[in-house]
Amino acid sequence: DAGVTQSPTHLIKTRGQQVTLRCSPISGHKSVSWYQQVLGQGPQFIFQYYEKEERGRGNFPDRFSARQFPNYSSELNVNALLLGDSALYLCASSWRDRSQETQYFGPGTRLLVL
Amino acid sequence: AQSVTQLGSHVSVSEGALVLLRCNYSSSVPPYLFWYVQYPNQGLQLLLKYTTGATLVKGINGFEAEFKKSETSFHLTKPSAHMSDAAEYFCAVSVLGNNRLAFGKGNQVVVIP
Repeated sequence: DAGVTQSPTHLIKTRGQQVTLRCSPISGHKSVSWYQQVLGQGPQFIFQYYEKEERGRGNFPDRFSARQFPNYSSELNVNALLLGDSALYLCASSWRDRSQETQYFGPGTRLLVL
Repeated sequence: AQSVTQLGSHVSVSEGALVLLRCNYSSSVPPYLFWYVQYPNQGLQLLLKYTTGATLVKGINGFEAEFKKSETSFHLTKPSAHMSDAAEYFCAVSVLGNNRLAFGKGNQVVVIP
């Protein structure tokens, strides 16, 4: 079975631009979460969606937004890009949104903002 | 709020020696704890997790971790390091009521031949 897939793998943008990152969860998984991993740090939680509803948001500005589609895939949008948005963006899926559920991570999208 | 602390960003270990990575958590309720590994230019892979039950948890690739409530710790060990263990390791705790993860800063493990 395919794991979590993300596209694109790499992206280069300039300050002020907008970017959309995509994620397809493991088949049957209904929960998708997004994390930002800045170089040398652990991942930071951005958003969680379950059954197409937002279940949580981390401490990120309103420039960050996301949605989940009927097929449970998800998009993360970042507007007005800043240099500090350069990071690896990880998508994770799980069957449910319970505390003990394992999250399975995709390979990530590496975003560079110039 | 739940959080984890990992000390020592870089850990060097000789091939065949014990691997010990320390993780301490802060949580007002019983936590669910996870260890993930990240190889270069890849996503995170689950090594093991503690939810309830047995406090000694065995994972993949010969790793294990022990949940010690009295010490608020969940240290990761492997008896004998292999060159393929060179990677970054993250301890994480899930937030009460959902499975959002709060990660530590990670340990970069270097295995010396």
